[in-house]
Amino acid sequence: QVQLQESGPGLVKPSETLSLTCTVSGGSISGYYWIWIRQPPGKGLEWIGYIHHTGSPNSNPSLNNRVTISVDASRNQFFLNLSSVTAADTAVYYCAREKSGSSTVFDFWGQGSLVTVSS
Amino acid sequence: QSALTQPASVSGSPGQSITISCTGTNSDIGIYNYVSWYQQYPGKAPKLMIYDVTNRPSGVSNRFSGSKSGNTASLTISGLQADDEADYFCSSYTTTSTYVVFGGGTKLTVL
Repeated sequence: QVQLQESGPGLVKPSETLSLTCTVSGGSISGYYWIWIRQPPGKGLEWIGYIHHTGSPNSNPSLNNRVTISVDASRNQFFLNLSSVTAADTAVYYCAREKSGSSTVFDFWGQGSLVTVSS
Repeated sequence: QSALTQPASVSGSPGQSITISCTGTNSDIGIYNYVSWYQQYPGKAPKLMIYDVTNRPSGVSNRFSGSKSGNTASLTISGLQADDEADYFCSSYTTTSTYVVFGGGTKLTVL
């Protein structure tokens, strides 16, 4: 059974960079698209971006080019960096796997990592 | 405010059936059969229950079914059980640059 686990600081200061790691176990990172999604408190889910195991990231234009997504297939990990954070970036951040051959179908998710932006 | 609209809560008694709606637009649900439904218990990872409107992943009970009409998709749970009590949210591919949009989630209470 594939499992995903987010890790990273739970508190980030305004204007700094939020960095999260998603570690994939129970399966290979190869051959799939890997996703970052977030949910601010009391609000709905928002797609942040995705990356294929070979690269080629894509991200939500509403995040104003602050997103960097990368992958290290040798370590079965992928990463999220979100720069110049503000309080509006406070959210639970999820990583997920896109089902092979199915756009926007996310068949495995992490439990989520709460990141608070505050000084 | 979510792009897809779901009722905040629904409830039903054990053994009954309930339906959760998910309303979008002609840019998402209305134009593509790429609607998914997820179940989430508090503090746990979401679980895929339905994809491509009507398909169930292996291991998901056939008590869960999906459908779509126009800009509205629906999740029906038949023979309600106590452990169906959870949050359910929908998603859809979208023609906009945001790739995928989500509903705000519906809390199902089994009375």
